[in-house]
Amino acid sequence: EAQVTQNPRYLITVTGKKLTVTCSQNMNHEYMSWYRQDPGLGLRQIYYSMNVEVTDKGDVPEGYKVSRKEKRNFPLILESPSPNQTSLYFCASSLSTSSSGANVLTFGAGSRLTVL
Amino acid sequence: GQNIDQPTEMTATEGAIVQINCTYQTSGFNGLFWYQQHAGEAPTFLSYNVLDGLEEKGRFSSFLSRSKGYSYLLLKELQMKDSASYLCAVLDSNYQLIWGAGTKLIIKP
Repeated sequence: EAQVTQNPRYLITVTGKKLTVTCSQNMNHEYMSWYRQDPGLGLRQIYYSMNVEVTDKGDVPEGYKVSRKEKRNFPLILESPSPNQTSLYFCASSLSTSSSGANVLTFGAGSRLTVL
Repeated sequence: GQNIDQPTEMTATEGAIVQINCTYQTSGFNGLFWYQQHAGEAPTFLSYNVLDGLEEKGRFSSFLSRSKGYSYLLLKELQMKDSASYLCAVLDSNYQLIWGAGTKLIIKP
């Protein structure tokens, strides 16, 4: 089944304790992206990657890191989490961004993170 | 700046028709997407418009007017399962998606 898998789905952690949210897709998609979603603010892009070893900042990159060493994986790293990073996180992928029709995003199920 | 506007919340009755509007101001335009998102779940793709006009897909239709920077999603024969948030997103000149905050649709019996 074609899908985007992210883990963990739920996590409660404490301020300053490094964590990684993994994201993997099995569709050979070139483009991958991380979003956070907060009530009333909609989806905000954190980082995105157009292909392997190519990553760029989105609208809200502060406090996050990413890497794209393999096409299928795009982990999100919070080096020193803070309470304002409490949010619902979504990983998404699409075939490419070079052609409008190929931009349909497939989303992971979401990771709800609470930082105390 | 870039901006997508859509109503925060709408209420409709089961079996009726509802139209969710989206207006946008973006740097360039390479298409407009509608996604559906049930509470606590991932967004799922509904429709894509790049040319002016109406695209129909079963009970759902999406309309685009590029000259007016306007789109709407039309949902017919509403069912309780249509209760969800509907997200409008525009692909700008750099092929980056600009998202609206979403419209929460409440269906009443």
